[in-house]
Amino acid sequence: AQKITQTQPGMFVQEKEAVTLDCTYDTSDQSYGLFWYKQPSSGEMIFLIYQGSYDEQNATEGRYSLNFQKARKSANLVISASQLGDSAMYFCAMRANSGYSTLTFGKGTMLLVSP
Amino acid sequence: GAGVSQTPSNKVTEKGKYVELRCDPISGHTALYWYRQSLGQGPEFLIYFQGTGAADDSGLPNDRFFAVRPEGSVSTLKIQRTERGDSAVYLCASGDRGRGVAGELFFGEGSRLTVL
Repeated sequence: AQKITQTQPGMFVQEKEAVTLDCTYDTSDQSYGLFWYKQPSSGEMIFLIYQGSYDEQNATEGRYSLNFQKARKSANLVISASQLGDSAMYFCAMRANSGYSTLTFGKGTMLLVSP
Repeated sequence: GAGVSQTPSNKVTEKGKYVELRCDPISGHTALYWYRQSLGQGPEFLIYFQGTGAADDSGLPNDRFFAVRPEGSVSTLKIQRTERGDSAVYLCASGDRGRGVAGELFFGEGSRLTVL
C-alpha cells in the first residue's frame, strides 16, 4: 500500500518569495514515481512536475523544483518567485511503476500568495 | 476540445435517486481513472480502466457504484440509490504510459454531485 502525507494544511507566502510545500511518502515498491498537481478554484488538477525514484537529479520545471530525498522518503515542492496566480491547492501523489497501478494523493496544502 | 471532458459539471439530486456521470477522455488515451474528492480532501481512487476492462475497481465504496467503458473511450460512472454522503466532486483522468512524463494523468474539471 502507498501513503502520502502532507502536513501543512495551509501556507502563506509573499509575492516573489520562494516557498516549500512538504510531502512524505511510504511505499514498499522499489520503482515508483512522484507527482505534484495544482488545483485552482476552478477544480481542474494541473500536472506540475514528476520525479522518478531512480532519477539521480532533482526534477525542475520552470519555477518548480522537487527536492527529492529518497532515504527520508520526502519529495518537497519548491516554488521560486511566487506569483499571485500560484494561489491554489497543491497535491503530492505517487504511483508504482509496475503493472496496473493507481495514483495515490495526499490531502493537499492550500497556498496563498499575498501582494 | 483536446482535454478531458466531464458532464454534467453540476448535478443536484434527491436521496435515493440514480445518477450517471460521463467522462470523455483525451483521444488515444488507453487508461482512464475515476476519483472522488470530498471537501477539503485529496482525490480518492475509485476505479481504473485499461482499455475496456476495469483493471482495478478496489476503490469503489460499495455495490451502489458501478462504472463502464464499453468501447474503450467514453466512461460512465453510475451511482444507484444515492445517499447524502455521496456528495462530492467526481474527477475523471486519462493517461497513456507511452506518452508524456512517465504517463502523467490529465484530469477533467470534475462533476460536482450534491445529494439532498
